[in-house]
Amino acid sequence: NAGVTQTPKFRVLKTGQSMTLLCAQDMNHEYMYWYRQDPGMGLRLIHYSVGEGTTAKGEVPDGYNVSRLKKQNFLLGLESAAPSQTSVYFCASSFGAIGEKLFFGSGTQLSVL
Amino acid sequence: GDSVTQMEGPVTLSEEAFLTINCTYTATGYPSLFWYVQYPGEGLQLLLKATKADDKGSNKGFEATYRKETTSFHLEKGSVQVSDSAVYFCALFSGGYQKVTFGTGTKLQVIP
Repeated sequence: NAGVTQTPKFRVLKTGQSMTLLCAQDMNHEYMYWYRQDPGMGLRLIHYSVGEGTTAKGEVPDGYNVSRLKKQNFLLGLESAAPSQTSVYFCASSFGAIGEKLFFGSGTQLSVL
Repeated sequence: GDSVTQMEGPVTLSEEAFLTINCTYTATGYPSLFWYVQYPGEGLQLLLKATKADDKGSNKGFEATYRKETTSFHLEKGSVQVSDSAVYFCALFSGGYQKVTFGTGTKLQVIP
């Protein structure tokens, strides 16, 4: 039972490069989320989706774009990476409303040099 | 807006010691409260939750009581094990903002 799978697990980028983080869930969840985790700041919501074809901004959306073309996948894109985007990125999903139990992936460690 | 304040870590305890991790919150309305745990190299997973005042959430020997009068949701365990070493996050969901707000996390290290 895979749950929520994130790829890649680690990545190093140079400033200005672009990349896409992939999140896939096999639980048929409607809601999906991208968080970033920084020391001393807890988890902050970047973008989220309440269903296939929909996306919405979270607390810290600047510099990121997302897409949810298929229900099971939620992609996070960095068009022009900056050192401030060095972080651990977590994808999560939930079945029903936003306040329900979140299922997390194991994270992507991203370093931007 | 909503906020969650947790005690700063790291917390280091000997095996079988009593654990308390403090959590207080500020929120609109009547939030649901959660504790999530993150083991090394893994994503967060839900440990327990409480949805209304005086509810007690419990799981794996951990428990926390929703105290509306003190706006607190402290995590406790009577006897910790080495396997409990992890980072613990307090969180809340308030319908007014339609998002889950996380605390900064408290790292627990249990030594044999």
